[in-house]
Amino acid sequence: GEDVEQSLFLSVREGDSSVINCTYTDSSSTYLYWYKQEPGAGLQLLTYIFSNMDMKQDQRLTVLLNKKDKHLSLRIADTQTGDSAIYFCAERVAPGGYNKLIFGAGTRLAVHP
Amino acid sequence: GAGVSQTPSNKVTEKGKYVELRCDPISGHTALYWYRQSLGQGPEFLIYFQGTGAADDSGLPNDRFFAVRPEGSVSTLKIQRTERGDSAVYLCASSLGTGETQYFGPGTRLLVL
Repeated sequence: GEDVEQSLFLSVREGDSSVINCTYTDSSSTYLYWYKQEPGAGLQLLTYIFSNMDMKQDQRLTVLLNKKDKHLSLRIADTQTGDSAIYFCAERVAPGGYNKLIFGAGTRLAVHP
Repeated sequence: GAGVSQTPSNKVTEKGKYVELRCDPISGHTALYWYRQSLGQGPEFLIYFQGTGAADDSGLPNDRFFAVRPEGSVSTLKIQRTERGDSAVYLCASSLGTGETQYFGPGTRLLVL
């Protein structure tokens, strides 16, 4: 079946790196995504990685994918208070050729001074 | 350009009433998705439109939920005989085509009293 698991909470000090982890179950997933949600707001696409890649870097964000273990991580370098939000991992599944996203429950990142 | 917009941003209704939630996708996007996000959870897929037709409505919880997209642009999610358990944030997303990245609107927060 399709399932995405994330740890629920992460607390880091400002300036440190944050690492948010995610596991998924559908081996046919082609793309994996990270979305950010601030209080009362919609989902903001942060980054994504294609399943044939191991790593993708985009400014302060680094995504690592271990396809064998179905494990995805998002590293935020030099974490700032503005990074405090809920981060959702999502896998794209394609039943019948079209696409839908399966989301985890989200990891709440709290950044403290 | 303008992103995905949703109206209303908040809707309070009474149990048993009928509600309509509207989504305006990004101009030119042919694919449109509805998701539901309950408190403390990640978004869950409801329905997917490619053009005017619902290509996948497997996520609709029951026959009280219905969605249309008559001209292949704006979509309306309709909920009949609302129940307290329908209270959630309803998110709409659009993508340029099938398989493209999904961009989310700010959501409609529905509260059923």
